[in-house]
Amino acid sequence: AQSVTQPDIHITVSEGASLELRCNYSYGATPYLFWYVQSPGQGLQLLLKYFSGDTLVQGIKGFEAEFKRSQSSFNLRKPSVHWSDAAEYFCAVGAAGTALIFGKGTTLSVSS
Amino acid sequence: DTAVSQTPKYLVTQMGNDKSIKCEQNLGHDTMYWYKQDSKKFLKIMFSYNNKELIINETVPNRFSPKSPDKAHLNLHINSLELGDSAVYFCASSRLQGGLNTEAFFGQGTRLTVV
Repeated sequence: AQSVTQPDIHITVSEGASLELRCNYSYGATPYLFWYVQSPGQGLQLLLKYFSGDTLVQGIKGFEAEFKRSQSSFNLRKPSVHWSDAAEYFCAVGAAGTALIFGKGTTLSVSS
Repeated sequence: DTAVSQTPKYLVTQMGNDKSIKCEQNLGHDTMYWYKQDSKKFLKIMFSYNNKELIINETVPNRFSPKSPDKAHLNLHINSLELGDSAVYFCASSRLQGGLNTEAFFGQGTRLTVV
């Protein structure tokens, strides 16, 4: 069965520092991969997606993610975090015959 | 010009009541979903409809009944509400590409509180 693991439940980063959020997936083939962000009391907003092709994907708000097939990973990165980036981040996988399957999320706190 | 809209945003009700949440998408997508987000923020798929046909029905109590009158609407009716039903319910939609689900677009959520 498909699954998504986000190993870090909570991460705190200083404003201006770089960020990497980890995501590992389990799927028999190359799935579609996504990162979403959820601010408090809000719905989920798509940050970026990977379908095929270039394994480094650029998204909104200065985020990028890299697909590594050998590691079954799709880690999210940002070179310089802003206080407004504090939110919940979800990695998701799209598989045949199923809805998007989400990881349990990583809470990002930004310290000044 | 909201892509996926759901109503109401907040719903407070007593145990044992019956309630409905409505969802509409104007993206022309064929697939719509209901997700439940619990207090630990975990998002779990409940139902998936494709062109008004039920595709996925996860292990959800049969007190929950989705209804899709057309492919732009997917409503969720809940009978005999229980305390444990308190959660945020998200409606979403997507299209299929190459047999896989592309990105899902989410509504703003309905926070259901059962007292």
